[in-house]
Amino acid sequence: GNSVTQMEGPVTLSEEAFLTINCTYTATGYPSLFWYVQYPGEGLQLLLKATKADDKGSNKGFEATYRKETTSFHLEKGSVQVSDSAVYFCALSEDNFNKFYFGSGTKLNVKP
Amino acid sequence: DVKVTQSSRYLVKRTGEKVFLECVQDMDHENMFWYRQDPGLGLRLIYFSYDVKMKEKGDIPEGYSVSREKKERFSLILESASTNQTSMYLCASSLPGAAFFGQGTRLTVV
Repeated sequence: GNSVTQMEGPVTLSEEAFLTINCTYTATGYPSLFWYVQYPGEGLQLLLKATKADDKGSNKGFEATYRKETTSFHLEKGSVQVSDSAVYFCALSEDNFNKFYFGSGTKLNVKP
Repeated sequence: DVKVTQSSRYLVKRTGEKVFLECVQDMDHENMFWYRQDPGLGLRLIYFSYDVKMKEKGDIPEGYSVSREKKERFSLILESASTNQTSMYLCASSLPGAAFFGQGTRLTVV
């Protein structure tokens, strides 16, 4: 079946530090991969996505590359800001019915 | 912009009550979903619907039912609320390749 595993948090970084949040997946077919972000008190917002192997998704300084050989989609940012503090969810979707599978979420705390 | 609207941000209900959570989307999406979010467990799919009057069970449907009488509206029903259903409930609608979420309803069952 389909599943997503991401690193447990919380992750605490100082401002301007480098961020990596690991995500690996299991899928029966050829899924699309996503990172969603949830700011305090809000719903989830799409951060970036990649639809096929070797694609790189990017947005707001965040990047993730779809690695089929390692079944991974790690999220990276070169220099985090306090405003990046949020919970980050890795997800995949199947082709049929667009059903989404989410990881457990990783809380990021960025300190000034 | 796609808008997914959940009728309440916060709800407090008593054990045994029948509870309705409403979700409306304005982009004519065929697929809609209800998730619950709990600390350490992430998002778990309760039910989803891929068309009017169509529904499929997700991973944790027990204690819940859904209704989709119109394309834009997807309702989650707790038939007899229990304290273990205290959670954050998230509604989403989707196109191929992207899901759009409402702001969530934090339900407390006392």
